[in-house]
Amino acid sequence: DNQMTQSPSSLSASVGDRVTITCRASQGVRNDLDWFQQKPGKAPKRLIYAVSNLQSGVPSRFSGSGSGTEFTLTITDLQPDDFATYYCLQHNGYPWTFGQGTKVEIK
Amino acid sequence: EVQLVEIGGGLIQPGGSLRLSCAASGFSFSSQYLSWVRQAPGKGLEWVSVIYKVGTTHYVDSVKGRFTISRDNSKNILYLQMNSLRVEDTAMYYCAKEGDYLGPGPFGFWGQGTLVTVSS
Repeated sequence: DNQMTQSPSSLSASVGDRVTITCRASQGVRNDLDWFQQKPGKAPKRLIYAVSNLQSGVPSRFSGSGSGTEFTLTITDLQPDDFATYYCLQHNGYPWTFGQGTKVEIK
Repeated sequence: EVQLVEIGGGLIQPGGSLRLSCAASGFSFSSQYLSWVRQAPGKGLEWVSVIYKVGTTHYVDSVKGRFTISRDNSKNILYLQMNSLRVEDTAMYYCAKEGDYLGPGPFGFWGQGTLVTVSS
């Protein structure tokens, strides 16, 4: 299985901060890497698909980058609505696998 | 408007069976692939299964031989038949569809989930 390792597992940040979350795959995933946001009690929501493409309706302060086995989600100018848990997903090979999640909390 | 509505969750004893349904609307159901994703209480997300429009299916190893994904394109319903349930299958189960106009990838849109609790 392609293991997805996210770091950090949690972080504390303030409104207006720049936040970076990293996802490392144990095997290359080409461009089949997406990012999701989940708030407590809610279904996840896709933010970014194919490494760096913003899903329609997602604010431009979210961005994704990376290649091969290392990928990054960046949130610039963190807003109150961004405090949530974030997951990466690889869907290049079965089983599709998520990272373990990064909880972004208010400092 | 795209809608995915999961039903069928509940409390079931270990070894029992349950069938989840996901009623879809607002898109061309028969032409898209759909998945089930689960989340144990307080834990992360786990992909469970996918079914493509031609009927091809894939499963995570932990449910192979116990769970069966299927679809009824005439009713726009996705199913997950879960047999030989274990305590570790306790989770919120989400139905999700490919991104379609929202961009490629398996989980462009999600339902709200249905809770399955396996306990004696």
